[in-house]
Amino acid sequence: GENVEQHPSTLSVQEGDSAVIKCTYSDSASNYFPWYKQELGKRPQLIIDIRSNVGEKKDQRIAVTLNKTAKHFSLHITETQPEDSAVYFCAASGEAAGNKLTFGGGTRVLVKP
Amino acid sequence: DAGVIQSPRHEVTEMGQEVTLRCKPISGHNSLFWYRQTMMRGLELLIYFNNNVPIDDSGMPEDRFSAKMPNASFSTLKIQPSEPRDSAVYFCASCFRGKQPQHFGDGTRLSIL
Repeated sequence: GENVEQHPSTLSVQEGDSAVIKCTYSDSASNYFPWYKQELGKRPQLIIDIRSNVGEKKDQRIAVTLNKTAKHFSLHITETQPEDSAVYFCAASGEAAGNKLTFGGGTRVLVKP
Repeated sequence: DAGVIQSPRHEVTEMGQEVTLRCKPISGHNSLFWYRQTMMRGLELLIYFNNNVPIDDSGMPEDRFSAKMPNASFSTLKIQPSEPRDSAVYFCASCFRGKQPQHFGDGTRLSIL
């Protein structure tokens, strides 16, 4: 089955700096890669996703890149703000796996004012 | 639009008791997923349904756990008998079959004493 590894497990950045989180996956058949943000005590919320036919996607301060050959994808947050502090999860899924998501272990991001 | 609705939000009960968690997916969504989240194991998929039919229950920990989806708008996850190690946050998510993304409910925080 699919295995997703996520690094780092914690990330502390100064407000205004950029944050980068990296994930690798094992199943070459995976074709959908979402990122979820989870604030303390809240549900995971989708912030951006990318499909395998695209190499990069951007939404304001958030961008995701995908390297299918190397089987890794990354989340980039620019101009970080205190409200970006949360746990971020990457995930991967594919049609062969019934579209079920396999999540990475999460990255706790702290943005220091 | 109402999102995924879970009940109860919190449940505290003594070990050995039966626990029933409930989920109402987003109207029109025909895939439903049950996840468990703990600090140690992260977000784990327990079981998922397509068109009310269980497709993959390989994540269900043991026979004490069971899940049903009697119709397109309701699912239950039952633990009987409950044990302290079942303490976790249980999330339900739904999506259109074969089409991501998954939308999560607010979760049920379960504490087994």
